[in-house]
Amino acid sequence: EDKVVQSPLSLVVHEGDTVTLNCSYEVTNFRSLLWYKQEKKAPTFLFMLTSSGIEKKSGRLSSILDKKELFSILNITATQTGDSAVYLCAAPVSYYGGSQGNLIFGKGTKLSVKP
Amino acid sequence: EADIYQTPRYLVIGTGKKITLECSQTMGHDKMYWYQQDPGMELHLIHYSYGVNSTEKGDLSSESTVSRIRTEHFPLTLESARPSHTSQYLCASSDSPTGNTIYFGEGSWLTVV
Repeated sequence: EDKVVQSPLSLVVHEGDTVTLNCSYEVTNFRSLLWYKQEKKAPTFLFMLTSSGIEKKSGRLSSILDKKELFSILNITATQTGDSAVYLCAAPVSYYGGSQGNLIFGKGTKLSVKP
Repeated sequence: EADIYQTPRYLVIGTGKKITLECSQTMGHDKMYWYQQDPGMELHLIHYSYGVNSTEKGDLSSESTVSRIRTEHFPLTLESARPSHTSQYLCASSDSPTGNTIYFGEGSWLTVV
């Protein structure tokens, strides 16, 4: 059964700290892994990773994929209170033998950044 | 920014009522999805569509139904709402060949009392 597992489930840090969020996966015919940030509304897209070892970076956020060990990490440096959110990891899977994938999501990591 | 809209954003209704959650996207995406998310829990796919007149059930069983008569429109209907249907419903769409990048609407918070 395909699955995406995130850890930790929750994390409390102080502004300025650096955090690392983990995502491991078991997905048949793996193609890519995605990270989303969810505040009080819908998830917003952060990164899509398809190749091992190539870091994707956007400001203070960065992410990397390890296809051999089947995991990805999301790093946030110099955290700010605005980074407080649930961070979701997801991977496309194929339903009913179809070639077009839908996403399965991990449970998310709830990050709280204290001033 | 993706153009995908959901209405209503918040709804409180009584048990037994019929409701329709609307979802529209102006990007011409073929693929559309409905996810359900209880507070603090993970997202679950309940319905998806690969195009007009195509609808399929997702990995989480749901008593809701969907229709896809037009590319831009993917409404979700509950014929008789129950308190167990209280949840957030997120509509999404995708244009990529493998559905990798999905754009979400802002969600519809449904409370059934």
